[in-house]
Amino acid sequence: AQKITQTQPGMFVQEKEAVTLDCTYDTSDPSYGLFWYKQPSSGEMIFLIYQGSYDQQNATEGRYSLNFQKARKSANLVISASQLGDSAMYFCAMREGEGNTPLVFGKGTRLSVIA
Amino acid sequence: DVKVTQSSRYLVKRTGEKVFLECVQDMDHENMFWYRQDPGLGLRLIYFSYDVKMKEKGDIPEGYSVSREKKERFSLILESASTNQTSMYLCASSFGDNTEAFFGQGTRLTVV
Repeated sequence: AQKITQTQPGMFVQEKEAVTLDCTYDTSDPSYGLFWYKQPSSGEMIFLIYQGSYDQQNATEGRYSLNFQKARKSANLVISASQLGDSAMYFCAMREGEGNTPLVFGKGTRLSVIA
Repeated sequence: DVKVTQSSRYLVKRTGEKVFLECVQDMDHENMFWYRQDPGLGLRLIYFSYDVKMKEKGDIPEGYSVSREKKERFSLILESASTNQTSMYLCASSFGDNTEAFFGQGTRLTVV
């Protein structure tokens, strides 16, 4: 079974609008971390935001926020006030347990911001 | 700034060649990872290492091996390159807690 599911292969959003990128995860471990990365066409992976399984509040970083719904096992990324530079691939990832475990990634969502 | 550096941005190799992809990080991270990225498949873990001389298989280790002789360096080895190993290879490193992984710029490998 897939650990991380991103159901939207591609999304379009108008500049200055908000957009939500979906991510659901599957784990039985009570301790885990959820991450979002951005990959522009240049190829580098840019860390955006992190949410721990025990965190009481949704994580926010500037225009990025994570809509964490633990019971539904979802960790959607919300980008507010989209900019042309937000056009990129976005990956959701999870690390299970404590310490030395690798990140497991979803297949990604390609976001295109339209002027 | 954390730096993860991969030795090549682009590489073209012939089928059957032994290929070395090198990765160096400068933040004294315990953990290092090798992923391959293919369109529609996301990032898939090949191998990872949580200490010098330690290695663990990821989801797709077949056809690959790794070496970690020093903490800062993690090498991916294609013993006998094949065309189905044409891909983008990404190296990453992290501390041993729930912090983000830092990625190198990627190596686009073409096997002809």
